[in-house]
Amino acid sequence: DTAVSQTPKYLVTQMGNDKSIKCEQNLGHDTMYWYKQDSKKFLKIMFSYNNKELIINETVPNRFSPKSPDKAHLNLHINSLELGDSAVYFCASSQGSEYRDNYEQYFGPGTRLTVT
Amino acid sequence: AQSVTQLDSHVSVSEGTPVLLRCNYSSSYSPSLFWYVQHPNKGLQLLLKYTSAATLVKGINGFEAEFKKSETSFHLTKPSAHMSDAAEYFCVVRARGGTSYGKLTFGQGTILTVHP
Repeated sequence: DTAVSQTPKYLVTQMGNDKSIKCEQNLGHDTMYWYKQDSKKFLKIMFSYNNKELIINETVPNRFSPKSPDKAHLNLHINSLELGDSAVYFCASSQGSEYRDNYEQYFGPGTRLTVT
Repeated sequence: AQSVTQLDSHVSVSEGTPVLLRCNYSSSYSPSLFWYVQHPNKGLQLLLKYTSAATLVKGINGFEAEFKKSETSFHLTKPSAHMSDAAEYFCVVRARGGTSYGKLTFGQGTILTVHP
């Protein structure tokens, strides 16, 4: 009964390949996010989807494309992987508007991507 | 603009002694502040949050934090450390105004080690 789950947990692949990371939440939330945690442990938001619509798209290479088939899923597809893409990617979800004071995000366990 | 600085990358304490993890923030608007904990190979779990109500916030597992506007600080404390507290802790600020409304900014994390 994991609230936010990600698959796979670990992903090792070669430069130039295309890969996807999947995220699912069973909390009934309407907003989902992708974050990247680099080697220095900084988490930075990449994308945010609300009700299947993109609402935040930070400065991320267009090789990264999020896809939300429904409110419970937000997948991250990465084309032409590069060494610098190696990181831990976290999915998160929240309910309601970010303008609510008691808004909080629930995070998945992360996917460690290693590009060789 | 907003930023978060966690003043210690590593903190080491003995079991049963107090814990202090320091966090300073800057924000153009009155912020919301959070502390998250990340255990190895697990997702981020919310410990506590400040959203403009009481300045002393109590969270889970005996942790608490005090919002001090004059010092722009939100330090995390616990009176008595337990072995299970060993983890990485992230201080997070959420924008409550401007073009980045709702956006989370993470600190670089503090690794807490607890010795028997």
